Amino acid sequence: GQQLNQSPQSMFIQEGEDVSMNCTSSSIFNTWLWYKQEPGEGPVLLIALYKAGELTSNGRLTAQFGITRKDSFLNISASIPSDVGIYFCARGSNYKLTFGKGTLLTVNP
Amino acid sequence: KAGVTQTPRYLIKTRGQQVTLSCSPISGHRSVSWYQQTPGQGLQFLFEYFSETQRNKGNFPGRFSGRQFSNSRSEMNVSTLELGDSALYLCASSGGTSVYEQYFGPGTRLTVT
Repeated sequence: GQQLNQSPQSMFIQEGEDVSMNCTSSSIFNTWLWYKQEPGEGPVLLIALYKAGELTSNGRLTAQFGITRKDSFLNISASIPSDVGIYFCARGSNYKLTFGKGTLLTVNP
Repeated sequence: KAGVTQTPRYLIKTRGQQVTLSCSPISGHRSVSWYQQTPGQGLQFLFEYFSETQRNKGNFPGRFSGRQFSNSRSEMNVSTLELGDSALYLCASSGGTSVYEQYFGPGTRLTVT
């Protein structure tokens, strides 16, 4: 199938801590993306990855395209309260995005 | 550049009615996609349009349809509404080097009673 397994489902951390979440697929894909969604808004694109092994940063966020092309990881360093939200991984294929179920991140100030 | 706009933002309809949602993509973007978001099923792909042509359609019943106009604006229609159609409907546009770098609007919250 084309399921995406995203973990963890939720995280509760203290401000300043680093965060790591990941996404795995049963199939190989050429595009991985990470989005963040806040209440009442649409998802916002954070990082896009196109090559196996690729490591890309966007400020305090770093994402990696797994070498097997079946997984991806997102790390957030030195978390701050505004990092709160739901983080989604997505893979692109046939002009569509397939999303994971999301990781709900709560940051305690 | 203005972002993706969706109208209306909120909508309440009754079972059996039909509804039309509108999306204006980022200027210059020619690909428009629609997604349904619910707590149970998450984000699910509905369809994607490019230059007025549907290139892919998700696994939704025929009651869900869409179209794209020559100015890239898009509409989606749901006929014979069911309670389970209550959801956040999100439109996204892309126009750069990758169709997968999609930029989302704020969504239309549809409630079916």
